[in-house]
Amino acid sequence: DGGITQSPKYLFRKEGQNVTLSCEQNLNHDAMYWYRQDPGQGLRLIYYSQIVNDFQKGDIAEGYSVSREKKESFPLTVTSAQKNPTAFYLCASSPDTFRQFFGPGTRLTVL
Amino acid sequence: GIQVEQSPPDLILQEGANSTLRCNFSDSVNNLQWFHQNPWGQLINLFYIPSGTKQNGRLSATTVATERYSLLYISSSQTTDSGVYFCAGGAGSYQLTFGKGTKLSVIP
Repeated sequence: DGGITQSPKYLFRKEGQNVTLSCEQNLNHDAMYWYRQDPGQGLRLIYYSQIVNDFQKGDIAEGYSVSREKKESFPLTVTSAQKNPTAFYLCASSPDTFRQFFGPGTRLTVL
Repeated sequence: GIQVEQSPPDLILQEGANSTLRCNFSDSVNNLQWFHQNPWGQLINLFYIPSGTKQNGRLSATTVATERYSLLYISSSQTTDSGVYFCAGGAGSYQLTFGKGTKLSVIP
C-alpha cells in the first residue's frame, strides 16, 4: 500500500534525552514536512525538505534537527534543547502539486 | 507572516444538517488547503483550492482569493464528519500556516 508511515505511535522520553521520530513515504513525493500540534491548536511547521540533502527551517525549528539522505525518509530528532517537547508530531509529504498528505502521527511525552 | 482565522471555533449539528465553515487570511495566498482531523489524529486532505470552487461528494469548497477567504460547505452531515477542520494557506508553494480549526460535532 502506498502511504506515509510514522513510528513509533507513542513515545516516552526522560528529560535531557534526545529522541528520533521516524517518517517514511513510498509515494515518490519530492517534498516532506514535520509539524508539531499542541492540544486545541493548529499545526506549526518545524522543518521541510524540497529535495534530498536539502531542508529548510520552519517557524519553530529551535531544539529540533532533521536529515534527508533518502527521498523516502525524513527523520526528526527532538533534542534536549527543546524546552517543551511534549506534543503530537505529524509528518507530511507532497508531490510537485503541493497538496500535502499526512502520516498518522507520533505522540511524544516527556516524563 | 500570514495569519489564518477560522470560524466558528466550535459547531454542533444534528445529523442531516448543512454547515458552512469559514477561513480568513491576513494576506494573499497562492496555496490554500482544507483538512479534516479525525478523533484519532489523522489528517485527511480534503481540498487544494487556491481559487475557485471544487466539490467532492457532500463537501464543497470555495475560495475568493481577491477577498482573502475560503468557505467549506458540508451538506447532509453524518456522524463520521465529526472532528476538527483546518484550513491552511501560504504565499509560497511549500510553507503552510494553519488556522486553529473548527471542531465539528455531529449528533445522531
